[in-house]
Amino acid sequence: QKEVEQDPGPLSVPEGAIVSLNCTYSNSAFQYFMWYRQYSRKGPELLMYTYSSGNKEDGRFTAQVDKSSKYISLFIRDSQPSDSATYLCAMSGQGGSEKLVFGKGTKLTVNP
Amino acid sequence: DVKVTQSSRYLVKRTGEKVFLECVQDMDHENMFWYRQDPGLGLRLIYFSYDVKMKEKGDIPEGYSVSREKKERFSLILESASTNQTSMYLCASRSPADTQYFGPGTRLTVL
Repeated sequence: QKEVEQDPGPLSVPEGAIVSLNCTYSNSAFQYFMWYRQYSRKGPELLMYTYSSGNKEDGRFTAQVDKSSKYISLFIRDSQPSDSATYLCAMSGQGGSEKLVFGKGTKLTVNP
Repeated sequence: DVKVTQSSRYLVKRTGEKVFLECVQDMDHENMFWYRQDPGLGLRLIYFSYDVKMKEKGDIPEGYSVSREKKERFSLILESASTNQTSMYLCASRSPADTQYFGPGTRLTVL
């Protein structure tokens, strides 16, 4: 079983739809959870960062962590064509210098 | 804002050449990382460094070496480039109390 599993998609939605992106993980020691957005031929940019369980909201984006189920989600409300990108989940344990473990990314296309 | 810069966006080299990829960060981060990213394989860690002159192998270090002489600078070296090293190379930096930031990437083609 891989440490982090992420459905690669591709996922195609109409503009204005609510998008749900998900990752599951197996390591119960993970405490830090991140979502990155990566446009084609660019480096990943940090989108959301949460510690431990719970929800975090930033504009149209909501990150959710369910540690009991080892499941994290990113919701995008009112999706826009500019949201079309690959979304990567990442996580690490409690130690500040631990390496991040990444999902392989989900490719999202939002159609006008 | 954290800034991680990489020396080149696009690079074309010939098989057998020695290749240097340079990364600079401006946030005084202790930790720096080199990844490669390939379709279907995701991000794979090549090397990382926790401090100046320190380095640790990642998941795929073969064919690569690194150098960290100054805290802000982390270089990836391909001693003798091969076609299977054609890839997108991403540098990242991180403070233990913070999250990780990536550079814009270098798309390397080895002919």
